[in-house]
Amino acid sequence: GQNIDQPTEMTATEGAIVQINCTYQTSGFNGLFWYQQHAGEAPTFLSYNVLDGLEEKGRFSSFLSRSKGYSYLLLKELQMKDSASYLCAVRDSNYQLIWGAGTKLIIKP
Amino acid sequence: IAGITQAPTSQILAAGRRMTLRCTQDMRHNAMYWYRQDLGLGLRLIHYSNTAGTTGKGEVPDGYSVSRANTDDFPLTLASAVPSQTSVYFCASSRQSEDTQYFGPGTRLTVL
Repeated sequence: GQNIDQPTEMTATEGAIVQINCTYQTSGFNGLFWYQQHAGEAPTFLSYNVLDGLEEKGRFSSFLSRSKGYSYLLLKELQMKDSASYLCAVRDSNYQLIWGAGTKLIIKP
Repeated sequence: IAGITQAPTSQILAAGRRMTLRCTQDMRHNAMYWYRQDLGLGLRLIHYSNTAGTTGKGEVPDGYSVSRANTDDFPLTLASAVPSQTSVYFCASSRQSEDTQYFGPGTRLTVL
């Protein structure tokens, strides 16, 4: 079967760095996405990785290792507004997105 | 209109009733999707459409139907609602099926 695993919840301190991991087992791989979702709102696109390595976009970076079925989202200089759920999704061989359940990130002052 | 809109924002529905959730996008995206989001689970694809005039079944299509008469609109119909269809429903679109998906604000549906 297809499976995306990510931690249910993480807590971090304002100004710190946090890494949210995602492991996947899917039928085929055509890219991995990270989305941010604030409570009661829609998911919004953060990053996309299709090749191995690190993609940096401001305070957020995303890493992919296809051989290990592994990705992480790195958030630097955490701000209170970063409190949200972070969703990992893999596009499979049918170009459908398979979604993880999301990681709820709690930022403390 | 800017982006994707969904209506209604929320709805309480009696079991057995018919309900249509509306989704409209003004980005001229070819592909559109319907997901449901339940606590503790990832987003699950209900139906999708890669282009106007075509639709396909996702992971959880039973009890739902869709149509895609034109590029902009992608309504989702529950023919006879059941309590297990209580969920938050998100519509999304992408330029092509292989591109990034962008989401509407969602519809919170409660079936009693």
